[in-house]
Amino acid sequence: SQQGEEDPQALSIQEGENATMNCSYKTSINNLQWYRQNSGRGLVHLILIRSNEREKHSGRLRVTLDTSKKSSSLLITASRAADTASYFCATVQNRDDKIIFGKGTRLHILP
Amino acid sequence: DAGVIQSPRHEVTEMGQEVTLRCKPISGHNSLFWYRQTMMRGLELLIYFNNNVPIDDSGMPEDRFSAKMPNASFSTLKIQPSEPRDSAVYFCASGISGFSTDTQYFGPGTRLTVL
Repeated sequence: SQQGEEDPQALSIQEGENATMNCSYKTSINNLQWYRQNSGRGLVHLILIRSNEREKHSGRLRVTLDTSKKSSSLLITASRAADTASYFCATVQNRDDKIIFGKGTRLHILP
Repeated sequence: DAGVIQSPRHEVTEMGQEVTLRCKPISGHNSLFWYRQTMMRGLELLIYFNNNVPIDDSGMPEDRFSAKMPNASFSTLKIQPSEPRDSAVYFCASGISGFSTDTQYFGPGTRLTVL
């Protein structure tokens, strides 16, 4: 089945640097969502971008969507220790309105 | 608002026993989702309710799993009999409406260990 696949699987950067995570998917989507999961916690919704949108901002987060390439990126600017978490993309398919989560990118911010 | 509430937070049981996981969605939300998360398979949608009615249970692994939503403020996920391969973190999430336009709000999860 279609699945968003995040890249890289793991990422370690210095505090203050920017972190970029990518998500690729296979079939036509209605929207794409990014979630964060801190260790031992549930997922927290970060941002939703619709298929007719190309870019969205929320605070230090910037999400882009390229439907021609079937890919999205999540940029976290000026990273902080509190950004250490796993980040998941989730795609909502057009054909059946199902949401499918990728396996996530583990982001570690080094002090 | 207290958010989505799940209980228990941790459950350890022996193979063959019945397990019941509970969820209280956010008040006013019309959709409720049950997910399972493992290292191997990631986050999988098990079942989805809208206005207390099961809409899609295609993710339920087998007949040992059942879910109910008797009212807008409560849902259960039951495994009978449980098996070691059911060990996972089970999340409940709620949303205002349906999938395509909705943000989902996740509970803290129930970590299930089946020995």
